[in-house]
Amino acid sequence: EAQVTQNPRYLITVTGKKLTVTCSQNMNHEYMSWYRQDPGLGLRQIYYSMNVEVTDKGDVPEGYKVSRKEKRNFPLILESPSPNQTSLYFCASRRREGEAFFGQGTRLTVV
Amino acid sequence: AQSVTQLDSQVPVFEEAPVELRCNYSSSVSVYLFWYVQYPNQGLQLLLKYLSGSTLVKGINGFEAEFNKSQTSFHLRKPSVHISDTAEYFCAVSAPAGYNNNDMRFGAGTRLTVKP
Repeated sequence: EAQVTQNPRYLITVTGKKLTVTCSQNMNHEYMSWYRQDPGLGLRQIYYSMNVEVTDKGDVPEGYKVSRKEKRNFPLILESPSPNQTSLYFCASRRREGEAFFGQGTRLTVV
Repeated sequence: AQSVTQLDSQVPVFEEAPVELRCNYSSSVSVYLFWYVQYPNQGLQLLLKYLSGSTLVKGINGFEAEFNKSQTSFHLRKPSVHISDTAEYFCAVSAPAGYNNNDMRFGAGTRLTVKP
């Protein structure tokens, strides 16, 4: 089954404790992206990747890191999480031209 | 870069009434356009897409949208809504390959609430 898998689905952590949210897709898509969803703001792009070892900042990259060492994986790293990073996060993948396929989301709470 | 504006943050409507959710985009190049739906506590699901060809696009669950290049709009319509259509709807835009910055961007969302 074609899918984008994010883990974990829910995470509560403390300020400053490094964390990684994993994302994997099995559709051989070139493009992968991370978004955060906040009430009234829609989905804002954090980072995106056009292929292995090619990443670029989206609209809200501060406080986040990504890497794309393999085509299928695109982890999101928060080196020192802060409460303003409490949000719902989505990973997505797509071909160069076409619709995005989304993971089920990761609800992160930073206390 | 492309951008999207969804003109209504909330749209309440009675069951079996028609509905239109409005979306305008901005881009200096040709675009691809999408509508996604998000049901409570779920991820985003594609409703329909415009890549090329006919400007009237039909999607799942009886929804359709019309691409209007002169008005830079891509409004979503359904002639008769059901309670189960209650959800958040997102309009999105991307550019074809070969253009710089062809990542996908989303609007702020429209919450559709269908009342009995």
